[in-house]
Amino acid sequence: QQQVKQSPQSLIVQKGGISIINCAYENTAFDYFPWYQQFPGKGPALLIAIRPDVSEKKEGRFTISFNKSAKQFSLHIMDSQPGDSATYFCAAKREYTGRRALTFGSGTRLQVQP
Amino acid sequence: DAGVTQSPTHLIKTRGQQVTLRCSPKSGHDTVSWYQQALGQGPQFIFQYYEEEERQRGNFPDRFSGHQFPNYSSELNVNALLLGDSALYLCASSLGSTTLYEQYFGPGTRLTVT
Repeated sequence: QQQVKQSPQSLIVQKGGISIINCAYENTAFDYFPWYQQFPGKGPALLIAIRPDVSEKKEGRFTISFNKSAKQFSLHIMDSQPGDSATYFCAAKREYTGRRALTFGSGTRLQVQP
Repeated sequence: DAGVTQSPTHLIKTRGQQVTLRCSPKSGHDTVSWYQQALGQGPQFIFQYYEEEERQRGNFPDRFSGHQFPNYSSELNVNALLLGDSALYLCASSLGSTTLYEQYFGPGTRLTVT
């Protein structure tokens, strides 16, 4: 059973545009929602993360919007650049502890055209 | 400060064989998690080690086993390899004793089973 659903599967954005990736979760026990960026041949790298007591978190060009009632969260990449072309994964984790496993979405392949 | 390292980078095995993958966590980290990432999919949690014991396990058969050493490094063993075991195997480390639950991923080991 997929606990984190991610969309779209792929996304093409023009340079300078806004990239938006959406995720929905089922388990209300999830309490930590990170986004990872993965380039070909590399492991996922933590991009930004949010907890459910916050509705929005911004770091540079990257913003997470969180809707607890709808059990949805999204990543917005402002002023998208060709260097942002990568696969993005949302994830979620249960319980407020350091050792819980992450549940990942299926990924979104972003291509930013120059 | 070295990040998470994994060896080998690539591996080709024959169906039915056994394989051992290795991981060294980020300096200062004491918890190691292993994930399997099939092509075009998000990482799937295999298991997690802390204090040299398996603490959590995902939905993987007993053919998948692991070990953590006193220096926090870890091994993933897979017996009786199947074609479906072909994937990128990712190791992630974290500091489990704090509430900071960012997981840092290594570059992965690409396993091909023929």
